[in-house]
Amino acid sequence: SQTIHQWPATLVQPVGSPLSLECTVEGTSNPNLYWYRQAAGRGLQLLFYSVGIGQISSEVPQNLSASRPQDRQFILSSKKLLLSDSGFYLCAWSVTADTQYFGPGTRLTVL
Amino acid sequence: QQQVKQSPQSLIVQKGGISIINCAYENTAFDYFPWYQQFPGKGPALLIAIRPDVSEKKEGRFTISFNKSAKQFSLHIMDSQPGDSATYFCAAVKAAGNKLTFGGGTRVLVKP
Repeated sequence: SQTIHQWPATLVQPVGSPLSLECTVEGTSNPNLYWYRQAAGRGLQLLFYSVGIGQISSEVPQNLSASRPQDRQFILSSKKLLLSDSGFYLCAWSVTADTQYFGPGTRLTVL
Repeated sequence: QQQVKQSPQSLIVQKGGISIINCAYENTAFDYFPWYQQFPGKGPALLIAIRPDVSEKKEGRFTISFNKSAKQFSLHIMDSQPGDSATYFCAAVKAAGNKLTFGGGTRVLVKP
């Protein structure tokens, strides 16, 4: 069966510090991968998606970047965090566009 | 531009009552409409989904109604239970697309 992992589960970082969030998927090959951000009490904002290794599409210009160094690994990064980067970061995978399977999320607080 | 509009933003219902969440879309290229359920601190999970060639789909206490001509679809939660308290998101997918377009979400609270 397929599983998706995200780490860390929670993170508190100072403004201006770097960020690296990791997502890995097990049990499937060549999945589409997605990064979403969810502000407190708000909806899901698609940040990046990838249909293959090294292929990244950015949905929203911002302080973040994404990379896919391996087929089932997706990384979200920032060189310098802003207060507005705080939120709940969700990784998701899909094989068909119909259904996305979400990970447990990372709660990021920027102070 | 918000392509999928969801209402209401929040909903309070008594145990045993019916929760109704509505969504409207603009793009006729959408051909798959899933609903996701999200509990606090967790990732969303697929709840139920429908394609526009059917007008209704039922799974247990959850029913999707779809009106293609009006470009609207809704989720009904029958006999609502406190365990149904969560945020619900409607979404839409284009044919041959690889992205979900989500509605803004509805926070449902079922009071015992």
